[in-house]
Amino acid sequence: DIQMTQSPSSLSASVGDRVTITCRTSQSISTYLNWYQQKPGKAPKLLIYDASSLQSGVPSRFSGSGSGTDFTLTVSGLQPEDFATYYCQQSYATARTFGPGTKVDIK
Amino acid sequence: EVQLMESGGGLIQPGGSLRLSCAASGFTVTTNYMSWVRQAPGKGLEWVSIIYSDGNTDYADSVKGRFTISRDKSKNTLYLEMNSLRAEDTAVYYCARDREGLGTGTFGFDPWGQGTLVMVSS
Repeated sequence: DIQMTQSPSSLSASVGDRVTITCRTSQSISTYLNWYQQKPGKAPKLLIYDASSLQSGVPSRFSGSGSGTDFTLTVSGLQPEDFATYYCQQSYATARTFGPGTKVDIK
Repeated sequence: EVQLMESGGGLIQPGGSLRLSCAASGFTVTTNYMSWVRQAPGKGLEWVSIIYSDGNTDYADSVKGRFTISRDKSKNTLYLEMNSLRAEDTAVYYCARDREGLGTGTFGFDPWGQGTLVMVSS
């Protein structure tokens, strides 16, 4: 299976900050990388698909980049509703795998 | 509106069986790739199984031989039959549409259901 790592595992930030989360895969996945946001007690929500495509209805402050094995999620201007856990996920291999998550909380 | 709603979770003893259901609205289950994803309490997300639009299926190694994914066209519903349940299967189980991409991969899970809790304990 393709292994996923995310860094950092957690971070503290303030409203208005620019936040960057990195995801790395154990083998090349082209751009088949997706990002999700999950709040406590809720289902994950798709933010970015195909590494850099913004899912419909998601604010433009969210952006993604990367290809191959290295990917980035950026939130430009963190809002109060953005404090959550973020997961990357590869959809290249049959056995879909998720990163371990990055928890973003309030500084 | 595109929606998914799971049901069927509950408390079950180790070695027992359970069937989860996922009713879809706003789209057709049989013409889409559909997956089950689970999340153990306080843990991350784990993909469990997929059924493709052609009916082929795949499973995570952790559930292979114990879980079976299926679907019913007339009810527009996805299922997960879980047998020989273990304590480590305790999790919230989500169903999700796995959106087809342009090539070999897919464009992410959307929508998701609200999840149903399966607790395996004596």
